[in-house]
Amino acid sequence: AQSVTQLDSQVPVFEEAPVELRCNYSSSVSVYLFWYVQYPNQGLQLLLKYLSGSTLVKGINGFEAEFNKSQTSFHLRKPSVHISDTAEYFCAVRREGGSQGNLIFGKGTKLSVKP
Amino acid sequence: NAGVTQTPKFRILKIGQSMTLQCAQDMNHNYMYWYRQDPGMGLKLIYYSVGAGITDKGEVPNGYNVSRSTTEDFPLRLELAAPSQTSVYFCASSTGPKQGRSYNEQFFGPGTRLTVL
Repeated sequence: AQSVTQLDSQVPVFEEAPVELRCNYSSSVSVYLFWYVQYPNQGLQLLLKYLSGSTLVKGINGFEAEFNKSQTSFHLRKPSVHISDTAEYFCAVRREGGSQGNLIFGKGTKLSVKP
Repeated sequence: NAGVTQTPKFRILKIGQSMTLQCAQDMNHNYMYWYRQDPGMGLKLIYYSVGAGITDKGEVPNGYNVSRSTTEDFPLRLELAAPSQTSVYFCASSTGPKQGRSYNEQFFGPGTRLTVL
């Protein structure tokens, strides 16, 4: 069965430091992968997505992610974080088969940026 | 565009009560979804719809019902509320395959925080 594993439930980091949030997936066919961000008391917002093509995907707010098929990973990175990046981040994969569009989400990683 | 709207924002129910969570979108999206979010568990799909009159179960449908009489609205009904239904509920929408390649992007509402006591 498909699954998404976010390896860290919490990541504390100091402002202006680089950060990597890790995501591994399992899927037997070609994948569509996503990162969403959830700011406190808000809904989810799409950060970036990989559908096909270049394995390095750039998103909003300076985030990027690299699709690595051999490692089945889709890690999210930012070279220098800001206090405003404090949020919960979710990795997701589109569900195989059935109705198009359904997503399977990881359990989330809480990024805490400290001054 | 208001995007995806949800009402109410907060609600406290007693065990056994019923309620309907409202969701509406004004983006003419064919696909709509209901998720629940529990701490440390990510989002779980409850029900989804690929168009007016068509709904299907997700991962965790027990205790819930949905209907889709219009493209815009996708209400979620809780019958006989139980403490296990205490959660944050998110509605989302997306275009369908025939509406363009961006159909994979789901747009989320702000959520409804439900407590069952």
